[in-house]
Amino acid sequence: GAGVSQTPSNKVTEKGKYVELRCDPISGHTALYWYRQSLGQGPEFLIYFQGTGAADDSGLPNDRFFAVRPEGSVSTLKIQRTERGDSAVYLCASSQGRIPYEQYFGPGTRLTVT
Amino acid sequence: AQTVTQSQPEMSVQEAETVTLSCTYDTSESDYYLFWYKQPPSRQMILVIRQEAYKQQNATENRFSVNFQKAAKSFSLKISDSQLGDAAMYFCAYRSHYLSPKETSGSRLTFGEGTQLTVNP
Repeated sequence: GAGVSQTPSNKVTEKGKYVELRCDPISGHTALYWYRQSLGQGPEFLIYFQGTGAADDSGLPNDRFFAVRPEGSVSTLKIQRTERGDSAVYLCASSQGRIPYEQYFGPGTRLTVT
Repeated sequence: AQTVTQSQPEMSVQEAETVTLSCTYDTSESDYYLFWYKQPPSRQMILVIRQEAYKQQNATENRFSVNFQKAAKSFSLKISDSQLGDAAMYFCAYRSHYLSPKETSGSRLTFGEGTQLTVNP
């Protein structure tokens, strides 16, 4: 079957604008994760969904970041009032459930804030 | 909180030779999982190998093997018979086995800074 997909692949936006990044997990995967990868760094955890609910959002850096997964499948990461420091690759991953199932990653969305 | 450290920002190896990538981690937990992920320029993270902390035997996957030293909190990756397609960024990652009462913790991956591997023909 298809893997995790993310759209758009690249997004350029101006400082202060609002952006939405989309993640389509592998069909049937109940767990979904968002990570942020700054240039030259390893990915950092943002938020984890189990089904429709955010089971752990402790990685979100501030209240400009918000994510939803209304039907337990597709997820959208929303960033308000973007700042240049938000520029990074945003990775999404899904898994069949909680540990120890493997997380399968998407190709990421590269966000550039000018 | 757990931390993962990769002290080699860059490594290079000749094709068909063997290379070892280092990783150390810090945790107070006794049960956890360790991973090596590969990230080529396409950005897609690919799982290379996984090790359960409760297993003493080192994991192997074809040309990839690990040296897991639990007491030393060390988890190195050995790539044998290196191929051009092995060139990529490699990340070491930690995942707790512990589940909180809400079963929310223990799911996230904590990554190291990465090691860029170059394979020379």
